[in-house]
Amino acid sequence: DTEVTQTPKHLVMGMTNKKSLKCEQHMGHRAMYWYKQKAKKPPELMFVYSYEKLSINESVPSRFSPECPNSSLLNLHLHALQPEDSALYLCASSYSGRASSTDTQYFGPGTRLTVL
Amino acid sequence: RKEVEQDPGPFNVPEGATVAFNCTYSNSASQSFFWYRQDCRKEPKLLMSVYSSGNEDGRFTAQLNRASQYISLLIRDSKLSDSATYLCVVDEGSGNTGKLIFGQGTTLQVKP
Repeated sequence: DTEVTQTPKHLVMGMTNKKSLKCEQHMGHRAMYWYKQKAKKPPELMFVYSYEKLSINESVPSRFSPECPNSSLLNLHLHALQPEDSALYLCASSYSGRASSTDTQYFGPGTRLTVL
Repeated sequence: RKEVEQDPGPFNVPEGATVAFNCTYSNSASQSFFWYRQDCRKEPKLLMSVYSSGNEDGRFTAQLNRASQYISLLIRDSKLSDSATYLCVVDEGSGNTGKLIFGQGTTLQVKP
C-alpha cells in the first residue's frame, strides 16, 4: 500500500482564520514533506521532517507552522494567510529521507486551499 | 540557469506515436533521478526511477547520461491516457536530505 492521505480535500479560509491541514501515511516511512504547488508550476518544497524532527525549512513564512506528532502524521497549521497563499498543498513521504533511486517520494492527493 | 530544465511543450501527438522528452540538470553531484507524471488537478505520481544503465517499463524507456547531465523519457505507442504533465525530478546533490528539484514539466496531449 503506497497511500498518503490528506484532509481536507478543499479548504476556503479568510485571512484572519486559523486552520490546519492533515497528512497521514502507514507505510512505515520516516520522512514526510510539505509542498506548495501553484497552477502550471512544479511543486515547491516547504518543509521536511526526518525521524519526526524538522530537517528542512525552505524559508517559509511563519504563518505556516508544521508539526509532526508522530512518524505517521504531519500537520500544517495556517494562520493569517494571504490570498497569494492560495494553492494546492501536497504532502509526501519516503522511507528514510535520504534521496536515492529506491527511496522515492509518494504524494498525497493534496488540499486545494483558497484564501479570501 | 535553472537547476532542472525541460521543454514545457505542449507536445501534441496522435495515438500510437512515439514521443521523447528531454531534461537537463545542473548539479553534477545529483545521484537520483525520476520521472513523475501529474494529471490535471491531481498529485504527482512516480512513473519510474532512472538508472545509469537505462531502464524500461512497458512502453516507457528512461535513459540517463551523467557526462552530459541529461535525462530522457521515451513513450512508445502513445495512448490517450498518457496525456499528462511529465516532471523530471533530480535530488539536490548532498545525498543527506530528501530534497528533490523539479523541472517545470512537459505537457503531453495525445489526440485520437
